[in-house]
This record gives sequence, C-alpha cells and structure tokens, in this order.
Amino acid sequence: AQSVAQPEDQVNVAEGNPLTVKCTYSVSGNPYLFWYVQYPNRGLQFLLKYITGDNLVKGSYGFEAEFNKSQTSFHLKKPSALVSDSALYFCAVRVRTGANNLFFGTGTRLTVIP
Amino acid sequence: DSGVTQTPKHLITATGQRVTLRCSPRSGDLSVYWYQQSLDQGLQFLIQYYNGEERAKGNILERFSAQQFPDLHSELNLSSLELGDSALYFCASSDPGTGSDEQFFGPGTRLTVL
Repeated sequence: AQSVAQPEDQVNVAEGNPLTVKCTYSVSGNPYLFWYVQYPNRGLQFLLKYITGDNLVKGSYGFEAEFNKSQTSFHLKKPSALVSDSALYFCAVRVRTGANNLFFGTGTRLTVIP
Repeated sequence: DSGVTQTPKHLITATGQRVTLRCSPRSGDLSVYWYQQSLDQGLQFLIQYYNGEERAKGNILERFSAQQFPDLHSELNLSSLELGDSALYFCASSDPGTGSDEQFFGPGTRLTVL
C-alpha cells in the first residue's frame, strides 16, 4: 500500500531564508512523486514531479525537490522564501503501474514571515 | 487557471438530500479523478474514469457514484447526505497517453451539509 508522510503540520520561515518542507513515502516499487500547492480558496497547483533521472528536480516558482531513495524522502526546498509562498503544500505519490491516482500527505502549512 | 472547471463552487444542502457535482476536464484529457478534502481525513482519492470507463476506485462510499459522459465531462453524485460529507470536492484531469503524469485540478466544489 502507498502512503505519504508530511511530519510537520506547520513550517514558519522568515522572508529571504531558505525553506524546507519534508516528505517521506512508502510504496511498492519505484514511485512517481509530486508536490502540489494550495492557496486559500483555490484548487491544487502542480509544482514539480520526480519520475526518473536526476534526483534533484526543479519546478515552478523557484522550488526544487530532492529524491532520496535510501531515505525514501522527497523534501521540497527553496533557497529564498517569499511572503507569497505562504500556502498549504501537499506531497503525493503514485505507483508506476496500474491505477495512477495520487496518494496525498496530510499537508504542511508554510508561513513566510515578512 | 488549470483548464479544469467545476460547478457549482458552493453547495449548501440538508442531510438526506442528493446532489450532483459537475466537472469538465482540460481539453483532450481522457482521465478524470475525483478527490475529497476534509479536515479530518485530508485529501482522499474517490474514483477515476478514463474515456468513459471506471478505471480505479478509492475510498468512495456506496452512497456516492460517478460517471463520465461521451464528451468526457464527469459528474459525482452524492446521496443520502450526512453531516460528515461536508468537504471540498476536487476534480482533476490528465492525459496518460501523452506520457505526462501530473494531474490538473479544478477549483473545487465546497459542499456544506446542514
């Protein structure tokens, strides 16, 4: 069975500082991994994905994530946080074969403090 | 704007009632997914349709059903509504045939059951 853990419900970071939002996963076989962001009263927006290849994935709005197979992690990072990055972030996983629905983590609320 | 539309944006109804949520996928996307986002259960996959056929089922209650029509729009039917069905319901679409794996989410329908 697939599962995703986001160990932090809330992450606070000062504007201009680097940010990390953590995600670990459990899946049979090799996963597809995704990060989505949800702004208030909006749907989920795709940020980035890991399918194969380079473990460091670059996405929208300056975000990147590093796939670490040995630690089964896919942490989201950004070198310099903006106030506008404040939102709810979801990590998701799906298996490579069969159904391609996403399993989501519980979400991490990121607050960037001016 | 993801290109996925959902109607209505808000729905307020009473326990025991039945409602229909509608989703129009991105142009050309053959797959439609329904997800439920609630405070206590997070984001959960309900059901997927691909080109009119049911492809995968998640934690969908027997009181809920869905279908995808020949023009690829989809409807999620919720019946015998309970207070606990109050949630944000998202539709997402993708086109697996292109090799792209990300799902594009609509803005959601907020259902309130009183």
